[in-house]
Amino acid sequence: DVVLTQTPSTLSATIGQSVSISCRSSQSLLDSAGNTYLYWYLQRPGQSPQLLIYLVSNLGSGVPNRFSGSGSGTDFTLKISGVEAEDLGVYYCMQATHARTFGGGTKLELK
Amino acid sequence: EVQLQQSGPELRRPGSSVKLSCKASGYSITDYLMHWVKHRPEHGLEWIGWIDPEDGETKYAQKFQSKATLTADTSSNTAYMQLSSLTSEDTATYFCASLRTTSAYWGQGTLVTVSS
Repeated sequence: DVVLTQTPSTLSATIGQSVSISCRSSQSLLDSAGNTYLYWYLQRPGQSPQLLIYLVSNLGSGVPNRFSGSGSGTDFTLKISGVEAEDLGVYYCMQATHARTFGGGTKLELK
Repeated sequence: EVQLQQSGPELRRPGSSVKLSCKASGYSITDYLMHWVKHRPEHGLEWIGWIDPEDGETKYAQKFQSKATLTADTSSNTAYMQLSSLTSEDTATYFCASLRTTSAYWGQGTLVTVSS
């Protein structure tokens, strides 16, 4: 199975600060058709996960443009340019190139 | 509007089994795979597997091969997951989800508590 390693596991930020989360895969997520199925989700406390980014760098429906995704192959990054209070929760990367796997999660909290 | 409505919380004894449901509305479940995901706060999200309701094909994460059984009833547009031989490690919230290429829809989750 593909293993996704997220760092850091916890992130403390102030409102307005920019932060980044890393997601590294044990195998390349580029498939034979040239697609990379890497996603980012946010799970707020007591809620279901919400899709933020699909296919590495595409913004999900209704997601603010302070969120951005980048990367290729085995290394991927989610960036939040100016954290807002509503961004607090746990962030997960997920790959869908080889079945499905979630990363271990990164908890974003207020400093 | 796509919605996934999951069944209510369950309390089970160790060694028993439980069957959870996920009723879809706003689309036909035969159009997309239905996924199931386990959530424990200290362990994060774990992908259990998917079912293709159109033909019943299933795929499981290795860890859940003998734990979970996925089925679907196209006449009621509902997906099911049965968990067997329950232990305290199965205490968690379980989500059904339609994880599509460019979008995702999640149920509200079902809390399963395993306790004697």
